[in-house]
Amino acid sequence: AQKITQTQPGMFVQEKEAVTLDCTYDTSDQSYGLFWYKQPSSGEMIFLIYQGSYDEQNATEGRYSLNFQKARKSANLVISASQLGDSAMYFCAMREASNSGAGSYQLTFGKGTKLSVIP
Amino acid sequence: GAVVSQHPSRVICKSGTSVKIECRSLDFQATTMFWYRQFPKQSLMLMATSNEGSKATYEQGVEKDKFLINHASLTLSTLTVTSAHPEDSSFYICSASLYEQYFGPGTRLTVT
Repeated sequence: AQKITQTQPGMFVQEKEAVTLDCTYDTSDQSYGLFWYKQPSSGEMIFLIYQGSYDEQNATEGRYSLNFQKARKSANLVISASQLGDSAMYFCAMREASNSGAGSYQLTFGKGTKLSVIP
Repeated sequence: GAVVSQHPSRVICKSGTSVKIECRSLDFQATTMFWYRQFPKQSLMLMATSNEGSKATYEQGVEKDKFLINHASLTLSTLTVTSAHPEDSSFYICSASLYEQYFGPGTRLTVT
């Protein structure tokens, strides 16, 4: 079973409107972290927002907010007031304990959602 | 802070040759670095985890003799694609970790 599921291969949103990108996850760990990254056509991975499994409040970073529903195992990204520059691929990722034994954590990525902002 | 660089950003090589990609953490020391591969319109797939001074841990299906990883210092890890073939053409991204992962800008490899 996939650990991170992004069911929307592509999304369109009108400029200045809000958009929600879906992400569900699967883990048996009690402690985990959820991330959203933006990848423009240049390829760089831009960190947007982080939610820890024990965080009681939804994370927010400027126009980005994370709708964390732990019981449903979902971590949807909400982008408010979309801008043309928001057009990019968006990846949801989960951090679990690594098998490297070094205390660092692996990230598992979803397949991504391509967001297109329409002027 | 937390800047990670990769060099080169783009490389074209002939089939059968080897290519080395460098990943550097510029303003912090990273005990762990990760190497990912991303094919067009696909997600990032973890190839290997490397810890300074020890052998890398490769993910299932990744050939360790083909993708040589060296993590000689706390600020530098290298990935060498040996005897490259066209199917190795991909976007390779590294990340360096203190606790969080900070990503490099990626290297686009094209094997002709």
